[in-house]
Amino acid sequence: DTEVTQTPKHLVMGMTNKKSLKCEQHMGHRAMYWYKQKAKKPPELMFVYSYEKLSINESVPSRFSPECPNSSLLNLHLHALQPEDSALYLCASSQGQAVSGNTIYFGEGSWLTVV
Amino acid sequence: AQSVTQPDIHITVSEGASLELRCNYSYGATPYLFWYVQSPGQGLQLLLKYFSGDTLVQGIKGFEAEFKRSQSSFNLRKPSVHWSDAAEYFCAGSTGTASKLTFGTGTRLQVTL
Repeated sequence: DTEVTQTPKHLVMGMTNKKSLKCEQHMGHRAMYWYKQKAKKPPELMFVYSYEKLSINESVPSRFSPECPNSSLLNLHLHALQPEDSALYLCASSQGQAVSGNTIYFGEGSWLTVV
Repeated sequence: AQSVTQPDIHITVSEGASLELRCNYSYGATPYLFWYVQSPGQGLQLLLKYFSGDTLVQGIKGFEAEFKRSQSSFNLRKPSVHWSDAAEYFCAGSTGTASKLTFGTGTRLQVTL
């Protein structure tokens, strides 16, 4: 079972709101990722968690705050976003952090619209 | 710089025709290469991957890809396309202990009936 589950599937929020995106996997993977994908563009890496610790932050603005409560869950807390942050946010996971020998599995994504 | 390039932005093929989507890579060492497919409004589904060994890789949904070091290519092929194959296709790569996948810009496949 290679499944990464993301909720909600769609989210509309105002620029002053605080919301969260959630991601769950039960494959025993120890690396989890957040990617951002704008329309007609490839996904761009935002954060990597390895063994529940943040290992990579691709210079993402602080209005995006990741959290990994346990090895199965990954959250992305959103606050004071801008309209240009509207995008598809993809969660992914893999057995280990290194791409070599590990496959990254993606969820269906959460569509975020900032108004 | 390490990169993956997909030269074709948009490809149209007739249902039942063969398909080849191009992917070129630029890495100093042997890369780890992937093909993902994304249907409209959906996440990415892994079609196949190349880590090492046999250069012809079989994937799901009847897709295959061939790693050609001499041409720095990892082209995706399917002998007979179905209308349901219409989607965006991304080639992606990485090397060694890196945890970051570098994606190509994608190729949108349209299938005509």
